[in-house]
Amino acid sequence: GQNIDQPTEMTATEGAIVQINCTYQTSGFNGLFWYQQHAGEAPTFLSYNVLDGLEEKGRFSSFLSRSKGYSYLLLKELQMKDSASYLCAAMDSNYQLIWGAGTKLIIKP
Amino acid sequence: DTAVSQTPKYLVTQMGNDKSIKCEQNLGHDTMYWYKQDSKKFLKIMFSYNNKELIINETVPNRFSPKSPDKAHLNLHINSLELGDSAVYFCASSQGGSQGGQETQYFGPGTRLLVL
Repeated sequence: GQNIDQPTEMTATEGAIVQINCTYQTSGFNGLFWYQQHAGEAPTFLSYNVLDGLEEKGRFSSFLSRSKGYSYLLLKELQMKDSASYLCAAMDSNYQLIWGAGTKLIIKP
Repeated sequence: DTAVSQTPKYLVTQMGNDKSIKCEQNLGHDTMYWYKQDSKKFLKIMFSYNNKELIINETVPNRFSPKSPDKAHLNLHINSLELGDSAVYFCASSQGGSQGGQETQYFGPGTRLLVL
């Protein structure tokens, strides 16, 4: 079956770095998405990886290893506003998104 | 300018009622989606339409019926509402074309449905 695993909750300190891991199993693969969702708001797109390696976008970076079925989202210089849920989603061979349950990130001063 | 909009934002209703949620996107996208997000925050796909045609229809009670009058609109009608229908319903759209990154989905603000 198709499955996405990511930690339920993580805590980090303002100014620090945090890595949110995601493993996936899908029928075929057409890319890995990360979304951010603040409480009470809609998910917003952060990144898309389809090739192995690291994609950097400001304070946020996303990594993909297709052979390991593994991705991570790296957040640097954490700010209080980064407190949110981070959703990992893998696209299968039919271009359908398989969503993880999300990782709630709590930032402490 | 709002890219994906939904109405209403909040909906409180009694069990057994019928209600509709509307969604519109002005991004020129071909594909639209309806998701349900329950209290555990898990996003579950319900339906997907590409150019007004149904392409995903997950295991959802037939009390839920999507309608797409044109490719910019996808409405969701719910009959005989039940307590378990209480959730946040998100509409989303993507460019379509089955090309990975073009499937990036853009979400509406959500409709918070509470069934009493």
